[in-house]
Amino acid sequence: QKEVEQDPGPLSVPEGAIVSLNCTYSNSAFQYFMWYRQYSRKGPELLMYTYSSGNKEDGRFTAQVDKSSKYISLFIRDSQPSDSATYLCAMSFTYNFNKFYFGSGTKLNVKP
Amino acid sequence: GAVVSQHPSRVICKSGTSVKIECRSLDFQATTMFWYRQFPKKSLMLMATSNEGSKATYEQGVEKDKFLINHASLTLSTLTVTSAHPEDSSFYICSADTGDSNQPQHFGDGTRLSIL
Repeated sequence: QKEVEQDPGPLSVPEGAIVSLNCTYSNSAFQYFMWYRQYSRKGPELLMYTYSSGNKEDGRFTAQVDKSSKYISLFIRDSQPSDSATYLCAMSFTYNFNKFYFGSGTKLNVKP
Repeated sequence: GAVVSQHPSRVICKSGTSVKIECRSLDFQATTMFWYRQFPKKSLMLMATSNEGSKATYEQGVEKDKFLINHASLTLSTLTVTSAHPEDSSFYICSADTGDSNQPQHFGDGTRLSIL
């Protein structure tokens, strides 16, 4: 069983739609949860991170963590064509100097 | 913001050659850098953790004699793929710990390695 599971998609939505991206994980010891956006032929770019359970909002993006269900989500409101990319979730046991466990990424396509 | 530069962005070479990839932190010092490998439609797999001035820590299953890592300064880590073969073809990405609480790891733009 993989540490982190993520639906690879692709997920195709019309511009303006609300997008929901999700990851599940198996190890309850994960404490930090990150979402990265990766454009084609580029490195991952950090979007948001959260510690333990709860919600965090940044502009059009909302990250949710439900540790009891081992389930994290990223919501994108008013999606734009420029949001088209692969979204990777990542988790770690500690904040710094430690390995990240990545999901396989969900490819999102926002159609104009 | 923190910038990590990775060079080259693309390498095509013959089987049996060695290839060196550089990862530089441009505007900060990184005591720890990480090397990942990414296959198409797959997640990033951590290969090794590189600490300045000491030996790298390799993940299980990664051949340290195959993938040589050097972190000789606070702004530069290198990954050398020795005697590369077609199965080594992949997308290699480095990241650096910035020490910034708003940026857990900052990634370079990756190197696409193709071995013919």
